[in-house]
Amino acid sequence: KNQVEQSPQSLIILEGKNCTLQCNYTVSPFSNLRWYKQDTGRGPVSLTIMTFSENTKSNGRYTATLDADTKQSSLHITASQLSDSASYICVVGGTASKLTFGTGTRLQVTL
Amino acid sequence: GAVVSQHPSRVICKSGTSVKIECRSLDFQATTMFWYRQFPKQSLMLMATSNEGSKATYEQGVEKDKFLINHASLTLSTLTVTSAHPEDSSFYICSAREGIYEQYFGPGTRLTVT
Repeated sequence: KNQVEQSPQSLIILEGKNCTLQCNYTVSPFSNLRWYKQDTGRGPVSLTIMTFSENTKSNGRYTATLDADTKQSSLHITASQLSDSASYICVVGGTASKLTFGTGTRLQVTL
Repeated sequence: GAVVSQHPSRVICKSGTSVKIECRSLDFQATTMFWYRQFPKQSLMLMATSNEGSKATYEQGVEKDKFLINHASLTLSTLTVTSAHPEDSSFYICSAREGIYEQYFGPGTRLTVT
């Protein structure tokens, strides 16, 4: 069964600090891995998308890594801001554009 | 990035009535659009895949007669929740595919059935 697991479930950090979110997946066959940011009551917004051959991709203060051998990915957020408070969802694309969603990590950035 | 809009952003309806939600790709053509449902503190669950000009493909457990999907043009897909009940209250999100990989999500529609 295709699954995407994320950890931690929730995280509270101080503004300005860095954090790393984890994603493990068992989706097969694998096509791509995406990280989305979802604000409360809004649709997900794409942060990064990586295919099998890519092992890192950055988007501003967000850096995603992918290890296709161990089926793990991480999202590193640098110098966090209050506006980073949101749910971060790891999504794995398989065949026929089928996406498997993780349950997300709820990040809260505080003063 | 590309923009996907949804209308309305929130709707309240009475039990037994039908509600239509529109999903539009504003600056690109999308042959494939997807409809998701999201309950509080849960992840998105795919309801159906909508292909322009053909019938939608529904996920297991999703009633096709209750959730009517129409994808009449390359920029518009609609989801109609028929005979809505309180258990249909949820956050409905559409997405539109551009190219091979990228999917752009709409802002979502909050449906409350009273």
